[in-house]
Amino acid sequence: AQSVTQPDIHITVSEGASLELRCNYSYGATPYLFWYVQSPGQGLQLLLKYFSGDTLVQGIKGFEAEFKRSQSSFNLRKPSVHWSDAAEYFCAVGVRTGNQFYFGTGTSLTVIP
Amino acid sequence: DGGITQSPKYLFRKEGQNVTLSCEQNLNHDAMYWYRQDPGQGLRLIYYSQIVNDFQKGDIAEGYSVSREKKESFPLTVTSAQKNPTAFYLCASRQQGNTGELFFGEGSRLTVL
Repeated sequence: AQSVTQPDIHITVSEGASLELRCNYSYGATPYLFWYVQSPGQGLQLLLKYFSGDTLVQGIKGFEAEFKRSQSSFNLRKPSVHWSDAAEYFCAVGVRTGNQFYFGTGTSLTVIP
Repeated sequence: DGGITQSPKYLFRKEGQNVTLSCEQNLNHDAMYWYRQDPGQGLRLIYYSQIVNDFQKGDIAEGYSVSREKKESFPLTVTSAQKNPTAFYLCASRQQGNTGELFFGEGSRLTVL
């Protein structure tokens, strides 16, 4: 069965520090991969997506993610975190042969001054 | 601007009452989804619809019902059979085909008193 694991429930970083959020997936083929961000009480906003091609993808707000097939991972990175990046981050997998998506349980990011 | 509108934003209900959450999209998307979000559990799929007058159960459909009479509308009814309905509900849509990402509404928070 497909699954998405975000091993870090909560991460705290200092403003200006680098960030890496981990995401691992279980799927029989190469999936579609997404990172979403959610502010409290709001819907989810797409940060970036991977379908095929270059395994390093750039997204909005200075985020990037790298697809590593050998590790079944799609980690999200940002070189310098801003206080406004504090939010909940979700990794998601889209099944290529259907219309279903599978979400991780999320990583809550706190940014300290 | 195109998007997804969910209403109401906040809803309170007494036990034993049914309640309907509205979801309207003007993105001309074929597929629409309802997710439930609880702290620490990520997003869980309730129902999805790929075309008008057709819908499929997701992972946690018990106690919920939907209809898809129009392409732009996908209302969700939380029935009295749902044992723990207090949650944040998210509606999403996507372009048909396998590469489209999900677009989300702002969510509806249901509290059962």
